[in-house]
Amino acid sequence: QVTLKESGPGILQPSQTLSLTCTFSGFSLSTYGMGVGWIRQPSGKGLEWLANIWWDDDKYYNPSLKNRLTISKDTSNNQAFLKITNVDTADTATYYCARIGGRTPFDYWGQGVMVTVSS
Amino acid sequence: DIQMTQSPSFLSASVGDRVTINCKASQNINKYLNWYQQKLGEAPKLLIYNTNNLQTGIPSRFSGSGSGTDYTLTISSLQPEDVATYFCLQHSSKLTFGSGTKLEIK
Repeated sequence: QVTLKESGPGILQPSQTLSLTCTFSGFSLSTYGMGVGWIRQPSGKGLEWLANIWWDDDKYYNPSLKNRLTISKDTSNNQAFLKITNVDTADTATYYCARIGGRTPFDYWGQGVMVTVSS
Repeated sequence: DIQMTQSPSFLSASVGDRVTINCKASQNINKYLNWYQQKLGEAPKLLIYNTNNLQTGIPSRFSGSGSGTDYTLTISSLQPEDVATYFCLQHSSKLTFGSGTKLEIK
Protein backbone atom coordinates (compact mmCIF):
# COMPACT_ATOMS: atom_id res chain seq x y z
CA GLN A 1 0.00 0.00 0.00
CA VAL A 2 1.41 3.35 -1.08
CA THR A 3 1.61 6.13 1.51
CA LEU A 4 3.36 9.49 1.55
CA LYS A 5 3.74 12.01 4.35
CA GLU A 6 5.15 15.51 4.23
CA SER A 7 6.97 17.29 7.03
CA GLY A 8 8.18 20.87 7.32
CA PRO A 9 8.90 23.74 9.70
CA GLY A 10 5.33 25.04 10.03
CA ILE A 11 6.33 28.67 10.13
CA LEU A 12 9.35 30.59 8.87
CA GLN A 13 10.37 34.16 8.20
CA PRO A 14 10.73 35.97 4.87
CA SER A 15 14.09 35.44 3.13
CA GLN A 16 14.68 32.09 4.89
CA THR A 17 14.99 28.74 3.13
CA LEU A 18 12.08 26.32 3.34
CA SER A 19 13.05 22.66 3.68
CA LEU A 20 10.42 19.99 3.15
CA THR A 21 10.66 16.22 3.51
CA CYS A 22 8.44 13.56 1.94
CA THR A 23 8.66 10.15 3.59
CA PHE A 24 7.00 7.38 1.63
CA SER A 25 6.36 3.65 1.63
CA GLY A 26 4.94 1.08 -0.74
CA PHE A 27 7.26 1.93 -3.62
CA SER A 28 10.93 2.66 -4.21
CA LEU A 29 12.72 5.47 -5.95
CA SER A 30 15.22 2.91 -7.18
CA THR A 31 12.51 1.30 -9.35
CA TYR A 32 12.47 2.15 -13.04
CA GLY A 33 9.83 4.76 -13.88
CA MET A 34 9.08 5.86 -10.34
CA GLY A 35 9.29 9.43 -9.14
CA VAL A 36 8.05 11.95 -6.61
CA GLY A 37 6.66 15.41 -7.22
CA TRP A 38 5.88 18.44 -5.10
CA ILE A 39 2.76 20.55 -5.46
CA ARG A 40 1.49 23.46 -3.38
CA GLN A 41 -1.88 25.08 -2.74
CA PRO A 42 -2.45 28.45 -1.07
CA SER A 43 -5.52 28.41 1.15
CA GLY A 44 -8.69 28.53 -0.94
CA LYS A 45 -6.78 28.57 -4.21
CA GLY A 46 -5.65 26.19 -6.93
CA LEU A 47 -2.80 23.73 -7.28
CA GLU A 48 0.68 24.68 -8.48
CA TRP A 49 3.20 22.05 -9.58
CA LEU A 50 6.71 22.76 -8.26
CA ALA A 51 9.18 19.99 -9.10
CA ASN A 52 9.64 16.28 -9.91
CA ILE A 53 12.47 13.83 -9.34
CA TRP A 54 12.77 10.39 -10.91
CA TRP A 55 14.43 7.09 -10.10
CA ASP A 56 17.41 8.00 -12.31
CA ASP A 57 17.84 11.38 -10.54
CA ASP A 58 16.40 13.30 -13.48
CA LYS A 59 14.72 16.49 -12.27
CA TYR A 60 12.07 18.85 -13.64
CA TYR A 61 11.26 22.25 -12.22
CA ASN A 62 8.43 24.72 -12.67
CA PRO A 63 10.09 27.38 -14.87
CA SER A 64 8.49 30.22 -12.93
CA LEU A 65 10.21 29.10 -9.70
CA LYS A 66 13.22 27.19 -11.01
CA ASN A 67 15.89 29.50 -9.62
CA ARG A 68 14.58 29.02 -6.08
CA LEU A 69 13.89 25.26 -6.06
CA THR A 70 16.09 22.26 -5.36
CA ILE A 71 14.66 18.74 -5.33
CA SER A 72 16.62 15.73 -4.12
CA LYS A 73 16.13 12.20 -2.82
CA ASP A 74 17.47 9.62 -0.39
CA THR A 75 16.60 6.32 -2.00
CA SER A 76 17.80 4.11 0.84
CA ASN A 77 15.56 5.90 3.34
CA ASN A 78 12.53 6.35 1.03
CA GLN A 79 12.57 10.12 1.22
CA ALA A 80 12.38 13.05 -1.16
CA PHE A 81 13.18 16.64 -0.34
CA LEU A 82 12.40 20.11 -1.61
CA LYS A 83 14.15 23.33 -0.73
CA ILE A 84 12.79 26.76 -1.60
CA THR A 85 15.14 29.66 -1.07
CA ASN A 86 14.35 33.26 -0.19
CA VAL A 87 10.73 32.64 0.82
CA ASP A 88 8.09 35.34 0.84
CA THR A 89 4.52 35.56 2.14
CA ALA A 90 3.40 34.36 -1.30
CA ASP A 91 4.97 30.98 -0.46
CA THR A 92 2.44 30.44 2.33
CA ALA A 93 0.55 27.30 1.30
CA THR A 94 -0.15 23.65 1.94
CA TYR A 95 2.63 21.62 0.34
CA TYR A 96 1.94 18.15 -1.01
CA CYS A 97 4.20 15.40 -2.26
CA ALA A 98 2.80 12.82 -4.66
CA ARG A 99 4.02 9.67 -6.36
CA ILE A 100 4.84 9.58 -10.03
CA GLY A 101 3.81 6.06 -10.94
CA GLY A 102 4.59 3.93 -13.92
CA ARG A 103 1.39 4.95 -15.73
CA THR A 104 0.86 8.53 -14.71
CA PRO A 105 2.03 11.29 -12.38
CA PHE A 106 0.47 12.01 -9.00
CA ASP A 107 -1.50 8.82 -8.52
CA TYR A 108 -1.01 8.89 -4.74
CA TRP A 109 -0.75 12.00 -2.56
CA GLY A 110 0.37 12.80 0.95
CA GLN A 111 -1.95 14.57 3.37
CA GLY A 112 -0.10 17.86 2.93
CA VAL A 113 1.81 20.11 5.32
CA MET A 114 0.91 23.73 6.00
CA VAL A 115 3.70 26.27 5.75
CA THR A 116 3.31 29.88 6.82
CA VAL A 117 5.78 32.60 5.93
CA SER A 118 5.43 35.51 8.32
CA SER A 119 7.60 38.07 10.03
CA ASP B 1 4.64 26.62 -21.34
CA ILE B 2 1.24 24.94 -21.73
CA GLN B 3 -1.70 26.79 -20.20
CA MET B 4 -4.87 25.02 -19.08
CA THR B 5 -8.24 26.79 -19.15
CA GLN B 6 -10.82 24.99 -17.01
CA SER B 7 -14.56 25.72 -17.09
CA PRO B 8 -16.85 26.38 -15.44
CA SER B 9 -15.30 27.72 -12.24
CA PHE B 10 -18.44 26.93 -10.30
CA LEU B 11 -21.21 24.44 -10.97
CA SER B 12 -24.45 23.76 -9.13
CA ALA B 13 -26.45 20.68 -10.09
CA SER B 14 -29.07 18.33 -8.68
CA VAL B 15 -28.61 14.77 -7.52
CA GLY B 16 -28.94 12.49 -10.52
CA ASP B 17 -27.89 15.16 -13.04
CA ARG B 18 -25.27 14.57 -15.70
CA VAL B 19 -22.39 16.97 -15.09
CA THR B 20 -19.55 17.95 -17.42
CA ILE B 21 -16.37 19.86 -16.66
CA ASN B 22 -14.00 21.01 -19.39
CA CYS B 23 -10.30 21.71 -19.77
CA LYS B 24 -8.74 23.33 -22.80
CA ALA B 25 -5.00 23.26 -23.38
CA SER B 26 -3.08 25.98 -25.17
CA GLN B 27 -1.58 23.32 -27.45
CA ASN B 28 -2.01 19.64 -28.27
CA ILE B 29 -1.32 17.55 -25.13
CA ASN B 30 -1.76 14.14 -26.80
CA LYS B 31 -4.26 12.85 -24.22
CA TYR B 32 -1.82 13.34 -21.31
CA LEU B 33 -4.61 14.68 -19.14
CA ASN B 34 -5.61 13.62 -15.63
CA TRP B 35 -8.61 14.56 -13.49
CA TYR B 36 -8.51 14.94 -9.70
CA GLN B 37 -11.18 15.36 -7.03
CA GLN B 38 -10.43 17.37 -3.91
CA LYS B 39 -12.88 17.36 -1.03
CA LEU B 40 -12.73 20.08 1.60
CA GLY B 41 -9.72 19.67 3.85
CA GLU B 42 -8.36 16.68 1.95
CA ALA B 43 -5.59 16.00 -0.54
CA PRO B 44 -6.53 15.62 -4.21
CA LYS B 45 -7.45 12.14 -5.40
CA LEU B 46 -6.82 10.80 -8.89
CA LEU B 47 -10.04 9.96 -10.75
CA ILE B 48 -9.06 9.60 -14.40
CA TYR B 49 -5.61 9.32 -16.00
CA ASN B 50 -4.51 9.78 -19.59
CA THR B 51 -7.90 11.17 -20.66
CA ASN B 52 -10.15 8.16 -20.20
CA ASN B 53 -8.65 5.59 -17.82
CA LEU B 54 -10.55 5.15 -14.58
CA GLN B 55 -8.30 4.88 -11.56
CA THR B 56 -8.78 1.76 -9.44
CA GLY B 57 -11.61 2.13 -6.95
CA ILE B 58 -13.26 5.12 -8.62
CA PRO B 59 -17.01 4.71 -9.35
CA SER B 60 -17.95 4.12 -12.96
CA ARG B 61 -20.19 7.21 -13.02
CA PHE B 62 -16.95 9.15 -13.60
CA SER B 63 -15.58 9.15 -17.14
CA GLY B 64 -13.23 11.18 -19.26
CA SER B 65 -12.93 11.98 -22.94
CA GLY B 66 -11.13 14.26 -25.31
CA SER B 67 -8.20 14.68 -27.63
CA GLY B 68 -5.89 17.36 -28.93
CA THR B 69 -6.56 20.45 -26.84
CA ASP B 70 -10.08 19.74 -25.47
CA TYR B 71 -10.94 17.39 -22.61
CA THR B 72 -14.03 16.63 -20.55
CA LEU B 73 -14.80 15.00 -17.23
CA THR B 74 -18.33 13.62 -17.01
CA ILE B 75 -20.26 12.50 -13.94
CA SER B 76 -23.16 10.51 -15.33
CA SER B 77 -25.42 10.74 -12.28
CA LEU B 78 -24.38 13.21 -9.61
CA GLN B 79 -24.29 11.89 -6.05
CA PRO B 80 -24.13 13.91 -2.80
CA GLU B 81 -20.63 12.59 -2.09
CA ASP B 82 -19.39 14.15 -5.35
CA VAL B 83 -19.41 17.64 -3.80
CA ALA B 84 -15.79 18.72 -4.27
CA THR B 85 -13.45 20.79 -6.38
CA TYR B 86 -12.21 19.13 -9.55
CA PHE B 87 -8.88 19.87 -11.22
CA CYS B 88 -7.38 18.80 -14.51
CA LEU B 89 -3.62 18.25 -14.95
CA GLN B 90 -1.71 18.14 -18.24
CA HIS B 91 1.51 16.11 -18.16
CA SER B 92 2.47 16.27 -21.81
CA SER B 93 5.13 18.94 -21.30
CA LYS B 94 6.17 19.70 -17.74
CA LEU B 95 2.93 19.85 -15.69
CA THR B 96 0.11 22.39 -15.44
CA PHE B 97 -3.07 22.24 -13.39
CA GLY B 98 -6.37 23.76 -14.40
CA SER B 99 -7.81 26.41 -12.11
CA GLY B 100 -10.49 24.13 -10.67
CA THR B 101 -14.26 23.66 -10.75
CA LYS B 102 -16.20 23.83 -7.50
CA LEU B 103 -19.18 21.50 -7.67
CA GLU B 104 -22.11 21.80 -5.32
CA ILE B 105 -25.52 20.16 -5.00
CA LYS B 106 -28.49 22.37 -5.84
